[in-house]
Amino acid sequence: NAGVTQTPKFRVLKTGQSMTLLCAQDMNHEYMYWYRQDPGMGLRLIHYSVGEGTTAKGEVPDGYNVSRLKKQNFLLGLESAAPSQTSVYFCASSYSPRAGIRNQPQHFGDGTRLSIL
Amino acid sequence: GESVGLHLPTLSVQEGDNSIINCAYSNSASDYFIWYKQESGKGPQFIIDIRSNMDKRQGQRVTVLLNKTVKHLSLQIAATQPGDSAVYFCAENMGNDYKLSFGAGTTVTVRA
Repeated sequence: NAGVTQTPKFRVLKTGQSMTLLCAQDMNHEYMYWYRQDPGMGLRLIHYSVGEGTTAKGEVPDGYNVSRLKKQNFLLGLESAAPSQTSVYFCASSYSPRAGIRNQPQHFGDGTRLSIL
Repeated sequence: GESVGLHLPTLSVQEGDNSIINCAYSNSASDYFIWYKQESGKGPQFIIDIRSNMDKRQGQRVTVLLNKTVKHLSLQIAATQPGDSAVYFCAENMGNDYKLSFGAGTTVTVRA
């Protein structure tokens, strides 16, 4: 059971280039999330999805797009990379609310370290 | 906006001692809290969670305490081991769609 898998693990881009970060989970979770983590700061939510075909904006969505075409995958896209997007990106997933249990913990991948020059 | 924060950015602990990591939250409507551990080069790892209808919850070597009166959360680690060295984050539920708000983290260093 791999849990949450992120690819690639590392990437260096030039300003203006585009790329897609991939996230896959094998836990049959309904909810998926993309965060960024910067030095000295906690995780900030970029976008999230509560189910296949649905996405929503988080705290810092500007400059990013996402897609959830399949339940197990959540893609994060940078259309025109900027140095301010240099960060570590984490994907997470969780179950939706279930009978008697409103909240479920999120489970994280090991991150994609992205540098933009 | 309201967010979760930690009292201290760093904590140094002697191996074998107990560790206490504190967290203050400001959203009185939050009803779910989680502690995560993050080791270098890894993603956050779930440690323990607690719902607002509880004051205390215990896991293996860890205890989470919730004081809703003063909006304070703490994580206690018993008999701290070198493998406990990591950054610890608390997070609170942000309401709709189960979004979490994370604090900045406390770096725990275990001294041999």
